[in-house]
Amino acid sequence: EIVLTQSPGTLSLSSGERATLSCRASQTVSSTYLAWYQQKPGQAPRLIIYGASSRATGVPDRISGSGSGTDFTLTISKLEPEDFAVYYCQHYGDSLWAFGQGTKVEI
Amino acid sequence: EVQLLESGGGLVQPGGSLRLFCAASGFTFDDYVMNWVRQAPGKGLEWVSGVAGSGRNTWYPASVTGRFTISRDNSKNTVYLQMNSLRAEDTAIYYCARTTSGTFDIWGRGTMVTVSS
Repeated sequence: EIVLTQSPGTLSLSSGERATLSCRASQTVSSTYLAWYQQKPGQAPRLIIYGASSRATGVPDRISGSGSGTDFTLTISKLEPEDFAVYYCQHYGDSLWAFGQGTKVEI
Repeated sequence: EVQLLESGGGLVQPGGSLRLFCAASGFTFDDYVMNWVRQAPGKGLEWVSGVAGSGRNTWYPASVTGRFTISRDNSKNTVYLQMNSLRAEDTAIYYCARTTSGTFDIWGRGTMVTVSS
């Protein structure tokens, strides 16, 4: 069973700053099945990155994903007010789905 | 418009049962794997079940195996989650999610399940 560990738990930043979020897998995983989601209070999660680095429809290019093997990164180049939220990484493999515990990006 | 609408949540006593529903619209339903994902109050996301487009294959994590059953009726564009032997730790918002290449690309708004006496 693959375990995803996200760090940090909370990231306190200001608008305009760069956010770097980490997701580490307990064993090597396929980048094809690594995704990131954004969740705002009272809302369902929203897919933002799939295949480790492809942006979902409507996601601005200030948000990007990278990584391979066991280490993956979500980067927000210049935080906008709407980017303050909780972010989850997720992996699929061997008919099992798993989420990281989340990183909260707060003002 | 692609849409998922969950229903069936509510208050149930420990040891009780509940059946959740997810009505899909706006896409060819049987082309997609469908999943349920839950979120306990103030906590993170947890995958709880998946079903293939045909309905013939289902998948569960250890935490719900033997207690939860996912199924679908492609003639009604609906996926179900039968939850038995419910525990306090099953209290959560339950989301229905369409799945493409292992990714949850469309989510419903969720339905709340509370397990309490």
